[in-house]
Amino acid sequence: QKEVEQNSGPLSVPEGAIASLNCTYSDRVSQSFFWYRQYSGKSPELIMSIYSNGDKEDGRFTAQLNKASQYVSLLIRDSQPSDSATYLCAVEGDSNYQLIWGAGTKLIIKP
Amino acid sequence: DADVTQTPRNRITKTGKRIMLECSQTKGHDRMYWYRQDPGLGLRLIYYSFDVKDINKGEISDGYSVSRQAQAKFSLSLESAIPNQTALYFCATSDSTGTGDPKETQYFGPGTRLLVL
Repeated sequence: QKEVEQNSGPLSVPEGAIASLNCTYSDRVSQSFFWYRQYSGKSPELIMSIYSNGDKEDGRFTAQLNKASQYVSLLIRDSQPSDSATYLCAVEGDSNYQLIWGAGTKLIIKP
Repeated sequence: DADVTQTPRNRITKTGKRIMLECSQTKGHDRMYWYRQDPGLGLRLIYYSFDVKDINKGEISDGYSVSRQAQAKFSLSLESAIPNQTALYFCATSDSTGTGDPKETQYFGPGTRLLVL
């Protein structure tokens, strides 16, 4: 059974600080990794995708991938109250382009 | 206009009733998915379709059926609703033929909140 694990939180971070969200996965052959943001009662929206080891930056967001250790992280710099949401990690499943989803980490940014 | 739409957005029904949730997309994507989301459990895949003639069961398909009426439309039916099917249901799409985002990238509709009494 392929699994994606996330700490459910909540993770509380002061406004302006760096929020660090982590995700581990079980399938060593996974190639594509995704971070989605989901506000309460709303649908998931894609923040970033990453498929090479190392860092990928997009504005205040940085995704980090370490395939040897099987984890992927999301850093949010200069955290804002509007970043308060649940962050879902998703990992490529089998060859049918399915995604395996973590249960999400709830992030709270305190003003 | 939204690229992926779902109707209805909210639905209350009674145990034993048959209901249908509908999903339409204008993204031109070939693949469509139905998920349910329960608090603390994340997204669970019910059914997915790679094209009109290719429909597959997900991890929790029991009690559900689907129909892919056209490339742009994918409906989910609950044959005889039961209270533990109360959940938030999402439709999603992905594009296996594109050259931009990774092919696994999924785009979600706004969701349907279903309550079964």
